[in-house]
Amino acid sequence: EVQLLESGGGLVQPGGSLRLSCAASGFTFSNYGMSWVRLAPGRGLEWVSGISGSGDGTYYVDSVKGRFTISRDNSKNTLYLQMNSLRAEDTALYYCAKSSSIVVVTASGKGYFFDYWGQGTLVTVSS
Amino acid sequence: DIVMTQSPDSLAVSLGERATINCKSSQSVLYSSNNKNYLAWYQQKPGQPPKVLIYWASTRESGVPDRFSGSGSGTDFTLTISSLQAEDVAVYYCQQYYSSPFTFGPGTKVDIK
Repeated sequence: EVQLLESGGGLVQPGGSLRLSCAASGFTFSNYGMSWVRLAPGRGLEWVSGISGSGDGTYYVDSVKGRFTISRDNSKNTLYLQMNSLRAEDTALYYCAKSSSIVVVTASGKGYFFDYWGQGTLVTVSS
Repeated sequence: DIVMTQSPDSLAVSLGERATINCKSSQSVLYSSNNKNYLAWYQQKPGQPPKVLIYWASTRESGVPDRFSGSGSGTDFTLTISSLQAEDVAVYYCQQYYSSPFTFGPGTKVDIK
């Protein structure tokens, strides 16, 4: 059974940092791309970042480029999201999501749907 | 970025009746090289993460009841629940994975009338 368990969320002041983790089990982790998707109050779902199975391809939505870094440790079956310079608008429930393919973005720029999601970890940015 | 819109924002349907949700993309998500529409539908129940129902616009995920169906091509898509059950109360999102950033519609809340 595929399981994704996020952790690391919490309350942080604007300008602060957090590191989210997602522990994966039930599948060969290195064979699949992974993403972070957030659900903000009143704003719906937003794809934030993705990483290929090998870790050599990383992708970000413009609003987090230069502030967030996605990474993975395939030896630990764990996905990470380092979030720096946090803003109030980053407040959201952050889900890790498994791609249905080893890549997140193909050579032709196409993606894949997300076939499994974790329960999420809440990030609140407030003073 | 591709903008996804959905209609209606919410709908209430009687048990056993049909529910129809529309999704529109600001540009085509049909890839001519493989003739596939890069469009998925997700269901999110209260307190739960999203769950994929449909991908490639019309392929039902394994284990999803056959009362759920997806149709459409290019820029216009529809999710149909043929006979609404109580357990179908949820928010439904469409998502394009044609190009990064992968974007979602704002969601449609389905309730029982």
